[in-house]
Amino acid sequence: RKEVEQDPGPFNVPEGATVAFNCTYSNSASQSFFWYRQDCRKEPKLLMSVYSSGNEDGRFTAQLNRASQYISLLIRDSKLSDSATYLCVVNLNTGGFKTIFGAGTRLFVKA
Amino acid sequence: SQTIHQWPATLVQPVGSPLSLECTVEGTSNPNLYWYRQAAGRGLQLLFYSVGIGQISSEVPQNLSASRPQDRQFILSSKKLLLSDSGFYLCAWAPNQGDPSGNTIYFGEGSWLTVV
Repeated sequence: RKEVEQDPGPFNVPEGATVAFNCTYSNSASQSFFWYRQDCRKEPKLLMSVYSSGNEDGRFTAQLNRASQYISLLIRDSKLSDSATYLCVVNLNTGGFKTIFGAGTRLFVKA
Repeated sequence: SQTIHQWPATLVQPVGSPLSLECTVEGTSNPNLYWYRQAAGRGLQLLFYSVGIGQISSEVPQNLSASRPQDRQFILSSKKLLLSDSGFYLCAWAPNQGDPSGNTIYFGEGSWLTVV
């Protein structure tokens, strides 16, 4: 089983739609969580951190369920510019450093 | 503000040739530094990380090596490239605050390597 699993997609949605991505992690030592965005042939960029109480940044909402070891990202009112791959990221606290990236979920927003 | 640069951006190398990718970070001191590889359509694989000058940890066995000759310089090398070394190589940094598990990672622009 992969340490961080995401639905690879692709998700094809029209402009204005609401889309949700899910991510599960297997290691209960996971301590901090993030969503990154990666455009085609570019480096990943931090989209937002994920806090236990859930957090929102404009049209983006991230939620964490530690009991179920599950993270989500909700995008409301999708824009064409939201088309990208979204990476779920988990930091492990195992006495040493380890950051695990999911393989990503591809999103295509169509006009 | 902190910036990270890596080069070259693109390179095509024959099998068996050497490799050197370089990365520098500005605007911070004593960062954690990383090299990742992303194969086509795949996720990010951590290759090496460093918590200080001369301190290198390898995550996967391979024909690549890394060095950190200066605090904010990280180099990825190979003596003889294989076809399977082709991919997108990303240098990254994170603040070294004593508890790296809580750090956010910031990536360089990446280097596209094609081994032919």
